[in-house]
Amino acid sequence: DGGITQSPKYLFRKEGQNVTLSCEQNLNHDAMYWYRQDPGQGLRLIYYSQIVNDFQKGDIAEGYSVSREKKESFPLTVTSAQKNPTAFYLCASSIFQGSNTGELFFGEGSRLTVL
Amino acid sequence: SQQGEEDPQALSIQEGENATMNCSYKTSINNLQWYRQNSGRGLVHLILIRSNEREKHSGRLRVTLDTSKKSSSLLITASRAADTASYFCATVSNTGGFKTIFGAGTRLFVKA
Repeated sequence: DGGITQSPKYLFRKEGQNVTLSCEQNLNHDAMYWYRQDPGQGLRLIYYSQIVNDFQKGDIAEGYSVSREKKESFPLTVTSAQKNPTAFYLCASSIFQGSNTGELFFGEGSRLTVL
Repeated sequence: SQQGEEDPQALSIQEGENATMNCSYKTSINNLQWYRQNSGRGLVHLILIRSNEREKHSGRLRVTLDTSKKSSSLLITASRAADTASYFCATVSNTGGFKTIFGAGTRLFVKA
């Protein structure tokens, strides 16, 4: 079945540690996205990418890094510079149509807790 | 920044009633989308309406778009307990790239 797989589903981290969240898609989509969701809140865009080896900062990129070495993969690293990393992280992909980009397909999310 | 603002923040209705959620946004858009999220899960796309459309239907869903007022509404008719979820509007601007920006959502609770 085609879809987006995020792992791990739950992750615990000590302060000062970097962690990497995995996102893989087999939908052959060009565009991929990372969003952060805090309790009772909407989604805020961290990074997005329309093509391999290219990505752009979203609204809250500070303390995060990404790479896009393969079309299917868009891992997110939460660095120790992120002051409040405890959140629910959602990865998504879409067919890239520029400013006419439509439906996003989401993974099931990764919940990160900093101890 | 969040482009869309949903209203109300929370809504509780009885099964069989209709549920209406509203979304306002700030900048010009190419399209507006509605998504649903069950607690602790990823989002699922419900419907997309383009800036040159005024109304769209999909099953029990009806979406309207008023670009002059920069607002949209989602109507769920004959609601069911299984409709209990959070609903988000999202916009794709026609300026500044192809970012999809989400609002804060409406939490809908349908009582059986």
